[in-house]
Amino acid sequence: AQSVTQLGSHVSVSEGALVLLRCNYSSSVPPYLFWYVQYPNQGLQLLLKYTSAATLVKGINGFEAEFKKSETSFHLTKPSAHMRDAAEYFCAVSDLKAAGNKLTFGGGTRVLVKP
Amino acid sequence: DVKVTQSSRYLVKRTGEKVFLECVQDMDHENMFWYRQDPGLGLRLIYFSYDVKMKEKGDIPEGYSVSREKKERFSLILESASTNQTSMYLCASRDLAGALEQYFGPGTRLTVT
Repeated sequence: AQSVTQLGSHVSVSEGALVLLRCNYSSSVPPYLFWYVQYPNQGLQLLLKYTSAATLVKGINGFEAEFKKSETSFHLTKPSAHMRDAAEYFCAVSDLKAAGNKLTFGGGTRVLVKP
Repeated sequence: DVKVTQSSRYLVKRTGEKVFLECVQDMDHENMFWYRQDPGLGLRLIYFSYDVKMKEKGDIPEGYSVSREKKERFSLILESASTNQTSMYLCASRDLAGALEQYFGPGTRLTVT
């Protein structure tokens, strides 16, 4: 069974500082990987996805993530945090062999941005 | 843009009531999903549907059922609500021809008292 671990349920960064959110996964087959963001009182919105093409993936709002097979990681970064980045972020993995290509989500990381 | 809507943003029900949560998507997607979201646990899959009248249990189906009579609509049913079903419920849909990402509705925060 696949699983996703997000290190740190809460992260606090200063405005303008680097944002780094960690995600490690386990999967028996090459996975598809996703980062979603959830702003307060909203549903989840796709930030970016890895689908076995380039290992460095660029997403919306200045975020990017790098797939590292040897480390089974897919960490999310943004060079300079903005107040609007305050939200909860979820990493997810899709096992192509699973019926319905279901997504398995990590526990989420809530980002607080300090002025 | 894909739009997924859910019938209620907030819902308060009593223990033992039958509860219906409705989800509608406007992009003719084949797959639809119901999740519940709890702090620290992320999203957990309750049920999903491949297509009309087709459904499959997810990771936590106990206490829930679903209905998909039309392609655009996927309903989650709590047969007899209990306090441990107090949660945020999220619906999602996916196009089989797409790159597997799911599109989410705004969520329904259900409180069972």
